[in-house]
Amino acid sequence: GAGVSQSPSNKVTEKGKDVELRCDPISGHTALYWYRQSLGQGLEFLIYFQGNSAPDKSGLPSDRFSAERTGGSVSTLTIQRTQQEDSAVYLCASSLFRTDTQYFGPGTRLTVL
Amino acid sequence: RKEVEQDPGPFNVPEGATVAFNCTYSNSASQSFFWYRQDCRKEPKLLMSVYSSGNEDGRFTAQLNRASQYISLLIRDSKLSDSATYLCVVKDAGNMLTFGGGTRLMVKP
Repeated sequence: GAGVSQSPSNKVTEKGKDVELRCDPISGHTALYWYRQSLGQGLEFLIYFQGNSAPDKSGLPSDRFSAERTGGSVSTLTIQRTQQEDSAVYLCASSLFRTDTQYFGPGTRLTVL
Repeated sequence: RKEVEQDPGPFNVPEGATVAFNCTYSNSASQSFFWYRQDCRKEPKLLMSVYSSGNEDGRFTAQLNRASQYISLLIRDSKLSDSATYLCVVKDAGNMLTFGGGTRLMVKP
């Protein structure tokens, strides 16, 4: 079946602009996660959704970052007033339940000039 | 100190070699442990879970030492296709995953 999809696959933006990244989880998966991976670094947890609510936002690096999930499905991660240090691959993962294996999407490569 | 630490490598080995990666974690309350594989410019994919009794999947063997807070992955008879970054992953009591920085493996002909 279809896996996790993310769009766009690549995004180049100018410093100070806002960007929106989209994640379509595997159908029926209740849990959705956002991670960030900077060049040569491990994955950094950003935020997790159970259904439409986000019980854990502890990983969001600043108030410029926000995320929402609607209908228990699609999620968008918004970065306002992007900075060069926001450049990274943003990965989304979903799992059937909170405790299950997470399946990752292909990521969105964000470059802030 | 990072919560999950790995030697970044790269480990350069010839085809057919046996190679082992180690990982240490700092949270003694960690519940579950995994190895993920990440190919260049691709997403991470689950390779195998790691159980206290140790587990084997074909050429791959994973072991856990809770007392030393240490996880290992052994790859026997390395193939060119094993070239990738191997991520050590720890799940805490809150079911959150923490990823190590990864160990890069390059298998040469």
